[in-house]
Formats: sequence, C-alpha cells, structure tokens
Amino acid sequence: RKEVEQDPGPFNVPEGATVAFNCTYSNSASQSFFWYRQDCRKEPKLLMSVYSSGNEDGRFTAQLNRASQYISLLIRDSKLSDSATYLCADTGRRALTFGSGTRLQVQP
Amino acid sequence: ETGVTQSPTHLIKTRGQQVTLRCSSQSGHNTVSWYQQALGQGPQFIFQYYREEENGRGNFPPRFSGLQFPNYSSELNVNALELDDSALYLCASSLVTGVFYEQYFGPGTRLTVT
Repeated sequence: RKEVEQDPGPFNVPEGATVAFNCTYSNSASQSFFWYRQDCRKEPKLLMSVYSSGNEDGRFTAQLNRASQYISLLIRDSKLSDSATYLCADTGRRALTFGSGTRLQVQP
Repeated sequence: ETGVTQSPTHLIKTRGQQVTLRCSSQSGHNTVSWYQQALGQGPQFIFQYYREEENGRGNFPPRFSGLQFPNYSSELNVNALELDDSALYLCASSLVTGVFYEQYFGPGTRLTVT
C-alpha cells in the first residue's frame, strides 16, 4: 500500500462548481499535512498547511480526519485558473511524502 | 516567488555520465531537501541536509550524493547515470524550528539521460 494515496482524476468540472479531493495516508504518526498545486512542467507551490483539524483560505478549505486517516481539499466557486494537479503530502519522517496527485480541469 | 533557485534549468546527459545540480535556498532557511519527480508521479524524497549534514535519506542508491555549504546552498550529484534517472529534480528549502515546517520548492532541473 502506498503511504499517501490520491485519486488521479481527472476531475472535469464547470466554472463555479465546488469540487473536493481526498487523500489517504498510512502513517498514523504523521503530524502535519500539506496541499501543493502543480502546474504542468512547473514546481509544486504550497497551497495550504494542515496541522490540526483544518484550515481555510478564501475559496479553499482543507480538513484533516485523523480517525480515518485522510485529508480533504475543497475548492468553492472553481475558476479556470484552478486547473492544475493537486498534490497532498505528509511529513512522517522529516521529509514530505507525496501522493501522485489529482488532476483538476475546470471548463468554461 | 519562493526565492529558491536551481541550476541548470535543463540538462541532457548520456548513460554512465555524472551530473551535478545546484540549489540556492530561500534567505533565512537552514534546510534543503532534494526530490525526484518522474512524469505522472509525485516527488520522491532523495535526501535532506541540515547544517551541512545529511539529515535523512529516501530509498535512493549511494550514487545519489549531496552537499550543503555554509551559506545553506546545496548540490545533488548523481554518478553512473541510468536512463531511469530522467526526471525533474526539485530542491526545497525550509526553516526547521520545531515539528511543523513548510517546504518551498525551486523551479527544478529537468534531466534527460539518453
């Protein structure tokens, strides 16, 4: 079993839609979690950090469920510019352990 | 922008050759981590340097080695290149002050091994 798993998608949604991604992790000792956004052939950019139950930043909300060992990312009012791959990561052993990413395509 | 820089941007090497990739961390950050990202995959942890010492290593063979310098910049060296080493190599800098810390990535070096 992979340490961090994500649905690869793609998620195709219309502009203005609300979309949610889940990410499961296997290391119960993980204490901090991150969502990164990665555009094609670019570096991952930090989107949100999740240290306790959740975090919210504008249209983006991340939630952590320790009992079920997953984190989620909710994007409200999707924009065309939100089209990207979303990577989740945990920090079980100092370094980031990433999932393979979920691809989002927002359509006009 | 994160302030993390990497060089070169692109590189083409032949199987069996050696390569050195460079990274300058964000001002004020004391830790550099290196990752390998193959097409369609998430970044895979190679190793981390803190205060010029290796501070953790992923599942990569010894032909992947590194250095961190007093100014916290870093190098990744790969010997005896193999075709499977073709990937995007990312460095990330962070300020380790406790349990929680965020890592910021540079633009990466795209390595092609032929």
